[in-house]
Amino acid sequence: GDSVTQMEGPVTLSEEAFLTINCTYTATGYPSLFWYVQYPGEGLQLLLKATKADDKGSNKGFEATYRKETTSFHLEKGSVQVSDSAVYFCALTSYGGSQGNLIFGKGTKLSVKP
Amino acid sequence: KAGVTQTPRYLIKTRGQQVTLSCSPISGHRSVSWYQQTPGQGLQFLFEYFSETQRNKGNFPGRFSGRQFSNSRSEMNVSTLELGDSALYLCASSSARGRFDTEAFFGQGTRLTVV
Repeated sequence: GDSVTQMEGPVTLSEEAFLTINCTYTATGYPSLFWYVQYPGEGLQLLLKATKADDKGSNKGFEATYRKETTSFHLEKGSVQVSDSAVYFCALTSYGGSQGNLIFGKGTKLSVKP
Repeated sequence: KAGVTQTPRYLIKTRGQQVTLSCSPISGHRSVSWYQQTPGQGLQFLFEYFSETQRNKGNFPGRFSGRQFSNSRSEMNVSTLELGDSALYLCASSSARGRFDTEAFFGQGTRLTVV
């Protein structure tokens, strides 16, 4: 079945460091790909998405490119801030499936130190 | 506009009891999905309802059930609670108008503790 694998955390960075969180997927068909973020005590918020190969999703300085050839959707940010500390989830929904059936990776906890 | 509202926020139940959780979606959204979040298993899809019909179901035992009302509000029920059911239960809503309209808006969750 479809699945998402993302790098294990936690990841600890200093403020203004470069961030990469790796995400790879296995899916039949043409999935849509997402990054969600969960701040402490909160539900999940959509950070960015890409719905077809070579699309780049971006938001709040974060970027991820849908790479069909490597089945990857790595999250990057050039300069992280303390406020970016959260848990990040990579997710997919398969073609023809409703968005309600999101398949998530295990999550990567990011801590940014001042 | 108001976000997704889940009630209650916290719940403590005893093994063997049953529990009902409630989710009010964003106004106009017809799709409601439920997820279970645990430290060990992460986020797992439970089921999705669209216009009062269950559209998808995850791999959970029959003790987990749900329903959706005509106003799109949804409830999920867990019967015969087990210690392993302790988790954060998240609800998400979407307008689900089409394949590319796929943003799910999540509530803050209900933290269920089974003792």
